[in-house]
Amino acid sequence: GQQLNQSPQSMFIQEGEDVSMNCTSSSIFNTWLWYKQDPGEGPVLLIALYKAGELTSNGRLTAQFGITRKDSFLNISASIPSDVGIYFCAGLYTGTASKLTFGTGTRLQVTL
Amino acid sequence: SQTIHQWPATLVQPVGSPLSLECTVEGTSNPNLYWYRQAAGRGLQLLFYSVGIGQISSEVPQNLSASRPQDRQFILSSKKLLLSDSGFYLCAPAPRLLRDETEAFFGQGTRLTVV
Repeated sequence: GQQLNQSPQSMFIQEGEDVSMNCTSSSIFNTWLWYKQDPGEGPVLLIALYKAGELTSNGRLTAQFGITRKDSFLNISASIPSDVGIYFCAGLYTGTASKLTFGTGTRLQVTL
Repeated sequence: SQTIHQWPATLVQPVGSPLSLECTVEGTSNPNLYWYRQAAGRGLQLLFYSVGIGQISSEVPQNLSASRPQDRQFILSSKKLLLSDSGFYLCAPAPRLLRDETEAFFGQGTRLTVV
């Protein structure tokens, strides 16, 4: 099955730094989602984007839906230790099946 | 809001043994349901989806099968497990994507280790 290209694959950052990650696809989507997954648990939705060019914030998180509808990025400002985890993007082209296609994940580790 | 129940949480099975993982959804009717697998350190791969009772679509060729015997029940099965079936299995309904009410849940997952 298809997976989206997500980068970076992993990153170590210091507490207080800003983080950026992005996701690209060869297919267009009409919805982009960003999830965070903690060890041993299912992913939890952070932000949903519904329109090309849309910029949406959720606390320290900001995400954008690319104009081409083939990419999205997520920024985390002033990172804290609880930001540690794996972040996944997911694209959705709504239809009868409404299947999510997931990115390969970005593992974020924060050093104090 | 929707609630997803998935069990068991952890399972260790020998190669060649059968498998049955169950997922039930509450708080919605006639949902699209999905089974995903996550290999260690990897993203989620869609295995099966179902748009209704008895309707199953497979996304990738594999050793597993799925069934939808009831509207809110989705079962993942295997007759004979392989080592490569190990992974973290997640069940989910279709995301509910409304600007003022976004829901995109997953079950708690089943960690399957085939030994």
